[in-house]
Amino acid sequence: DAGVTQSPTHLIKTRGQHVTLRCSPISGHKSVSWYQQVLGQGPQFIFQYYEKEERGRGNFPDRFSARQFPNYSSELNVNALLLGDSALYLCASSLEDRGNYEQYFGPGTRLTVT
Amino acid sequence: AQSVSQHNHHVILSEAASLELGCNYSYGGTVNLFWYVQYPGQHLQLLLKYFSGDPLVKGIKGFEAEFIKSKFSFNLRKPSVQWSDTAEYFCAARGGATNKLIFGTGTLLAVQP
Repeated sequence: DAGVTQSPTHLIKTRGQHVTLRCSPISGHKSVSWYQQVLGQGPQFIFQYYEKEERGRGNFPDRFSARQFPNYSSELNVNALLLGDSALYLCASSLEDRGNYEQYFGPGTRLTVT
Repeated sequence: AQSVSQHNHHVILSEAASLELGCNYSYGGTVNLFWYVQYPGQHLQLLLKYFSGDPLVKGIKGFEAEFIKSKFSFNLRKPSVQWSDTAEYFCAARGGATNKLIFGTGTLLAVQP
């Protein structure tokens, strides 16, 4: 079975631009979460989606938004990029949105903002 | 506030040495605990998890962790490390009713052959 996949692998953007990151969960998984990992720190929770609905939001500005599609894939959008948005963006999927289910992480998208 | 603390930021060991990485959490109510590992150039992988029951949990590659509720701790152990254990290790926690993981800052382990 394929694991969680993310695209693109790497991305370079300029300040003020917009970016869209994509994630495909493991087949059968209905929940997708997004995390931001800045160099030298642990991942920080951005969003969780389940059955196309937002189920949780971390402490990130409104420039960050996401959505989940009927096939459970997801997009993370970031507007008006800042230098501080440079990070590894991780997607994780799980079978359900809560309970004794673990999350499986994708390889991430490395975003560099110049 | 919910938080996870990892006290060791960098650890250097020789092969066959024993390993213990500290993790403390601050959480109200039911908590699930995890250790993830990130090998160089690879994505985060789950080493082990605690949901309930036996507080001593065993994971992959000979790792184990002990949940001590009174100390709010979930330390990771391995009796004899190998060079291939060189990686970054993250402790994470979540409440029982949510999927939101809160991670510690990570511990970079270097095992010298």
